[in-house]
Amino acid sequence: GNSVTQMEGPVTLSEEAFLTINCTYTATGYPSLFWYVQYPGEGLQLLLKATKADDKGSNKGFEATYRKETTSFHLEKGSVQVSDSAVYFCARGDKLIFGTGTRLQVFP
Amino acid sequence: ETGVTQTPRHLVMGMTNKKSLKCEQHLGHNAMYWYKQSAKKPLELMFVYSLEERVENNSVPSRFSPECPNSSHLFLHLHTLQPEDSALYLCASSRQAEGREQYFGPGTRLTVT
Repeated sequence: GNSVTQMEGPVTLSEEAFLTINCTYTATGYPSLFWYVQYPGEGLQLLLKATKADDKGSNKGFEATYRKETTSFHLEKGSVQVSDSAVYFCARGDKLIFGTGTRLQVFP
Repeated sequence: ETGVTQTPRHLVMGMTNKKSLKCEQHLGHNAMYWYKQSAKKPLELMFVYSLEERVENNSVPSRFSPECPNSSHLFLHLHTLQPEDSALYLCASSRQAEGREQYFGPGTRLTVT
């Protein structure tokens, strides 16, 4: 099938904690993969992307590695800030399929 | 500033009204999209336009009617909507040849009463 599955939220962390948001996909090939972020009252913004297997996308301290062996594209950040509080979406570029979103709440 | 603007930002309409949502992109892209975002549901792709021609329509009810007069503008015409159509409607654009990396507008929050 064609799907994107990401972990349920909300994820609640203290400032400077380590973040992982899991994302897995099903596909017959190797589609481009994206992470988007949505801040309150705004549309989605591209956070990072990877276009082929073993690529690592990174931006603003966030990273995700395209792993074809586990069909995963988990989002990580070593030290979150209060300003990272938002909803994060994993997505496939070829079929325009988005995950359900994971809300991250970071407290001081 | 993402380069994609949407108007209005908020809209309240009755079930018998007719209204239109507008989207404009200033990025030189040639593909545009409408999405519906409802609480606790995945983002739903509604329509895709490439070079001003509709290329995808994901079984959207006919009470939603898209229009793409040129590569910079996209409209969503609404008529006889239902309360369950209340949602955030997002417009996006992309360059076709680049793995569909999309740029989104801020959305129109629609409430149907």
